[in-house]
Formats: sequence, C-alpha cells, structure tokens
Amino acid sequence: DIQMTQSPSSLSASVGDRVTITCQASQDIYKYLNWYQQKPGKAPKLLIYDASNLEPGVPSRFSGSGSGTRFTFTISSLQREDIATYYCQHFYSLPPAFGQGTRLEIK
Amino acid sequence: QVTLRESGPALVRPTETLTLTCSFSGFSLTTTGMCVSWIRQPPGKALEWLARIDWDDGKYYTPFLETRLTISKDTSENQAVLTMTNVDPVDTGTYYCARHSAYDPYYFDSWGQGTLVTVSS
Repeated sequence: DIQMTQSPSSLSASVGDRVTITCQASQDIYKYLNWYQQKPGKAPKLLIYDASNLEPGVPSRFSGSGSGTRFTFTISSLQREDIATYYCQHFYSLPPAFGQGTRLEIK
Repeated sequence: QVTLRESGPALVRPTETLTLTCSFSGFSLTTTGMCVSWIRQPPGKALEWLARIDWDDGKYYTPFLETRLTISKDTSENQAVLTMTNVDPVDTGTYYCARHSAYDPYYFDSWGQGTLVTVSS
C-alpha cells in the first residue's frame, strides 16, 4: 500500500500569510494527488485534484503543485474562513490513502 | 444536484454487526464509471478509506479490514450499503460515503454529512 506523509501536522499563521503544506508519497503516484479541506463537524471538501487542478468554485488563492512523490499545497493569502484541517489523498492505486492531515490555525 | 446521506445506528455493542446505508440522489450507480466509497474518521484522527462499489458491481476493500467488510448496492433504491462484522471500540468514528468515478480524473467530489458510530458496551 502507498503511504502518504503530510507536514506539518499543525500550522499557525496570520491573516494574509502565505501557507504551504507538503505531502510525500511512499512511491511514484504521478499526478494522482488530491487536496481536501475539512472544517470541524463537516465532511471533507475537494479543493485540488490531479495535483494542480482547482475544483470549480474554489477560490484562486488555493493552489497545488508537484508530481511523482512530492506535492505542495499553497494558500497565497490566508483568510479567516480557511481555518480547517487539510488532507492530501492519492488515487493512484487501491487502497486510496489520505495523509495524516494538517490543522491550520490563525495566529 | 448530487446529494448523499449516511444512516445507521449511533451505538453498536462490541462483537455486533454494523450496517450503514448511503442513500444518494443526482446520480445513478447504473451509470458506467460511477462508484461509491465508504470512508471513516475516528474522533480527532485522519480519514481512512474502507471500501468501494462500482456500477458494474465491482467491489474493493481495504486489506486491513477486508475480512470484516461487505459492500453492496441497491440500484432501484439508489443506495450503497456497508456491513462491518465483529465491531470493536476502535471502530468508533464518523462514517462517510462519497461519490467518485472509475475513470480519470479520480477524486471524491461529493460526500455525505457523515454518521457517527460509537462502539461501546
């Protein structure tokens, strides 16, 4: 099974800051990496698919990059409504696995 | 508009069988390429994929729980059902169903709101 390692596990930043989360796969997953946002008590919401494609309706301050085994998720200018836990997830093979999550807080 | 909703018992005793139902609308599991997966989340922990059922009745399970899980579908009722046998307190968590495609691009684009299951005597 492919393992996904996310870092950091938690992050505190100020409104307006640029925030970056990384996700590393235990083997090559090509482009098959998605990013989700989960707010407390809610289901995850798809933000980015295939490493860098923005889901329609998602603000453009969210972006993703990478391929192979190393991926990056960026919020260009943090907003208060971005407070959530973010998960990467590969879909290259079964079972599709999620990272451990990054909890984002406002400083 | 695509919607999914999970239902099932809130409390289950250890060693019992848990049955969860995902009722959905806005798509059909008779459509080529359509899939529904079950994903769970223990309290305060990460998401864990459990099982998937495809439009052609293909079924896939996480190896870790494969012997305890059964996934099925009722296309006339637009439902996907997950059963888990011999539950344990570690199975406590929120269980989600989510829609996705069997074809590229692969992602969970619609989720239910989740149902919290507690395993306790």
